[in-house]
Amino acid sequence: SQKIEQNSEALNIQEGKTATLTCNYTNYSPAYLQWYRQDPGRGPVFLLLIRENEKEKRKERLKVTFDTTLKQSLFHITASQPADSATYLCAPGYSSASKIIFGSGTRLSIRP
Amino acid sequence: KAGVTQTPRYLIKTRGQQVTLSCSPISGHRSVSWYQQTPGQGLQFLFEYFSETQRNKGNFPGRFSGRQFSNSRSEMNVSTLELGDSALYLCASSWTGDAAEPAKNIQYFGAGTRLSVL
Repeated sequence: SQKIEQNSEALNIQEGKTATLTCNYTNYSPAYLQWYRQDPGRGPVFLLLIRENEKEKRKERLKVTFDTTLKQSLFHITASQPADSATYLCAPGYSSASKIIFGSGTRLSIRP
Repeated sequence: KAGVTQTPRYLIKTRGQQVTLSCSPISGHRSVSWYQQTPGQGLQFLFEYFSETQRNKGNFPGRFSGRQFSNSRSEMNVSTLELGDSALYLCASSWTGDAAEPAKNIQYFGAGTRLSVL
């Protein structure tokens, strides 16, 4: 079965630095990857989608990469701010199935 | 456009009881998925409904069931509640949940129902 791995430990970053979160998958190669942000007690919110034929996607201070050789996606937040503190979830998607399975998430804390 | 609405927001039940949670998707969305979230297990996929039919199912016991109505609204039922069922239950809707069109499979989540089983 598919396994999705994200940094299990919380990531603590100084404000202004770049935060980099990792999402690794095994076995089946996804056709695309979605990244979501979740704040405590709330539902996840969609951030970015990257397809397998795209190396990189950007949105404002966010950047996502997708390396099908390494079976990995990286999520970057540049010029990080305390308001970026949240849990970030990756979710690989497959062309053969409509269900979306989420990774366990990485908790990011940006300290002033 | 209104977002995904889940009711109730909070529920307290005792072991052995049953519970029904409700989800109203974004207007026009036809796919509804349910997830259970606990601190230890993260976001676990329960099932997905599309056009009133269960299209995908996660690895949960038969005590967990759901249905979808013709207006795409969905309900989830848990029978014979156990202490371990205490969790945040999240509903998400998408346009079609079409795997071939990733942009139509973006999940829009509700605020969730916090269930506590005593």
